Amino acid sequence: DVKVTQSSRYLVKRTGEKVFLECVQDMDHENMFWYRQDPGLGLRLIYFSYDVKMKEKGDIPEGYSVSREKKERFSLILESASTNQTSMYLCASRLAGADNEQFFGPGTRLTVL
Amino acid sequence: SQQGEEDPQALSIQEGENATMNCSYKTSINNLQWYRQNSGRGLVHLILIRSNEREKHSGRLRVTLDTSKKSSSLLITASRAADTASYFCATDGSNYQLIWGAGTKLIIKP
Repeated sequence: DVKVTQSSRYLVKRTGEKVFLECVQDMDHENMFWYRQDPGLGLRLIYFSYDVKMKEKGDIPEGYSVSREKKERFSLILESASTNQTSMYLCASRLAGADNEQFFGPGTRLTVL
Repeated sequence: SQQGEEDPQALSIQEGENATMNCSYKTSINNLQWYRQNSGRGLVHLILIRSNEREKHSGRLRVTLDTSKKSSSLLITASRAADTASYFCATDGSNYQLIWGAGTKLIIKP
């Protein structure tokens, strides 16, 4: 059974803190994605990674960075959390190729106070 | 950037009825995918339809694609309480990305 796991389901942080969100997939997928989901806005792509050590900015990369040192792990970093980064964060992975489905983790609901 | 727009934003029907959701998009596509999201969880892939296909079935799901109108529809027949979820369409964008709509929230009343 394919699996994408995220390090936390719920997270509460304070403004200015550095936040790490971890995502791990066990399917040997090349592509990995980080989205944020806000009511009425659907999914917005923050960053994605073609393969190990590769990264590309999505639609809303400001305030975020990512790391992909190993194929199975894709980390999202909020260098200095702000209240407008309160959101649901979803990680996904996919075999290389736009025709392939994305497999999603359960999501991390982050609240920044 | 959002390309897809689902319609309606919310839909409430009785169990056993059919549910139809629509998706419109703006630019040419190679394929269009539909996903389901149960409350507060990750998304699950339902079906992919390619630009040269007009209709596709998977169990109780039927997807149509009209590239001339840049629209797709998802029909769920004989709805069940477990179908209560949000449904999203996504089209292939540049750089291997998917471009997502804002979703339709479907509620099945017992």
